[in-house]
Amino acid sequence: NAGVTQTPKFQVLKTGQSMTLQCAQDMNHEYMSWYRQDPGMGLRLIHYSVGAGITDQGEVPNGYNVSRSTTEDFPLRLLSAAPSQTSVYFCASSYGSPGNTEAFFGQGTRLTVV
Amino acid sequence: DAKTTQPPSMDCAEGRAANLPCNHSTISGNEYVYWYRQIHSQGPQYIIHGLKNNETNEMASLIITEDRKSSTLILPHATLRDTAVYYCIVRVWGSGSARQLTFGSGTQLTVLP
Repeated sequence: NAGVTQTPKFQVLKTGQSMTLQCAQDMNHEYMSWYRQDPGMGLRLIHYSVGAGITDQGEVPNGYNVSRSTTEDFPLRLLSAAPSQTSVYFCASSYGSPGNTEAFFGQGTRLTVV
Repeated sequence: DAKTTQPPSMDCAEGRAANLPCNHSTISGNEYVYWYRQIHSQGPQYIIHGLKNNETNEMASLIITEDRKSSTLILPHATLRDTAVYYCIVRVWGSGSARQLTFGSGTQLTVLP
């Protein structure tokens, strides 16, 4: 059982470049989320989805786009990378709202923008 | 969501019980207490949650005071692998809610050999 899989694990971007962080889950979970974690801090919610075709903004959505065309996949797009987006990005999924049920997290993508 | 307060760091001797406190004095009647942990460089891991009764699973026990203003996560026999940041989160229970987890700074637990 793979759980939540994030790719790539590490990425270095130049300022202004765009890229997509991939997240896939094989548990048929409806809810998926993207968080970022800066050094020494807790996780902050970027975007989330309550099902295929439905997304919404979290606490820090600026500079990021998401889409949810399938239940399994929830990619996060950086439109024009900035050094302030250097962070570790975590994807999570849960059967119901993560406020109600256990949330499963991926192993993270470590992004550096130079 | 109610705000939580946790000590920034704690130490525990290997094999002893680790007791991690959390203060949530503004908790309301329909808010659950959740605990997650994050081992260095990994994604957070769910541990346990509860409303007002004490809860126990294979990982830990959760003790919630009668007034629900604070709780304690207990790891009964801490091992070196339990060294991690532990997050106490208070969330409203409600089916269909799209609201997500809010992580604070947590407690860095260091288990010492």
